[in-house]
Amino acid sequence: QVHLVESGGQLVKPGGSLRVSCEASGFTFSDYYMSWIRQAPGKGLEWISHISESSTNIFYADSVKGRFTVSRDNAKNSLYLQMNSLRAEDTAVYFCVRLDIVTTALDFWGQGTLVTVSS
Amino acid sequence: SYELTQPLSVSVAPGQTATITCDGDNLGGKHVHWSQQKPGQAPVLIIYRDNIRPSGIPERFSGSNSGNTATLTITRAHAGDEGDYYCQVWISATAVFGGGTKLTVL
Repeated sequence: QVHLVESGGQLVKPGGSLRVSCEASGFTFSDYYMSWIRQAPGKGLEWISHISESSTNIFYADSVKGRFTVSRDNAKNSLYLQMNSLRAEDTAVYFCVRLDIVTTALDFWGQGTLVTVSS
Repeated sequence: SYELTQPLSVSVAPGQTATITCDGDNLGGKHVHWSQQKPGQAPVLIIYRDNIRPSGIPERFSGSNSGNTATLTITRAHAGDEGDYYCQVWISATAVFGGGTKLTVL
């Protein structure tokens, strides 16, 4: 079955950088778009970015554009999110999510990794 | 920017039918997806493309979408259905989520 496992979340100071990762299994990773979605404590869901199968198409939310970079390594079945110039408002659980481009559904979610930005 | 509006909370008695709405401009012209998030867990897709249930989702969950409103209906509600429900659409390659509705079964 589809399995997505995020890692790398931790406490980081404002202005700092962090890379979170997602390891996928149970499906052909290179056949799917992948997304990052975050959820601030006690808040709703916010789409951050998605990346096409071969990394040709990449989109970002305005809130992270220019600071965050999404990438993938299909040989390693892995998705990454490099976060720079972190702010307190970036504090959230970051979910790795599979995107079925045919149905446009965000159909499988990882359990998330917590990123805390605080001094 | 495009906005989706959901009620903050909905309550339903056990065994009854819960209805959660999602409002947006000309929403009926778009495909709406619904996810359920139980406390402390990741979201789970329960309805996609307005009214299609993924494998493993009970028939008690159904969806519709017309005009400016999409609706998630949960029949024979029970305590295990409690959680937050989010509608979502795609606008110009951007995923837009509703603010979420907390469902309470009491």
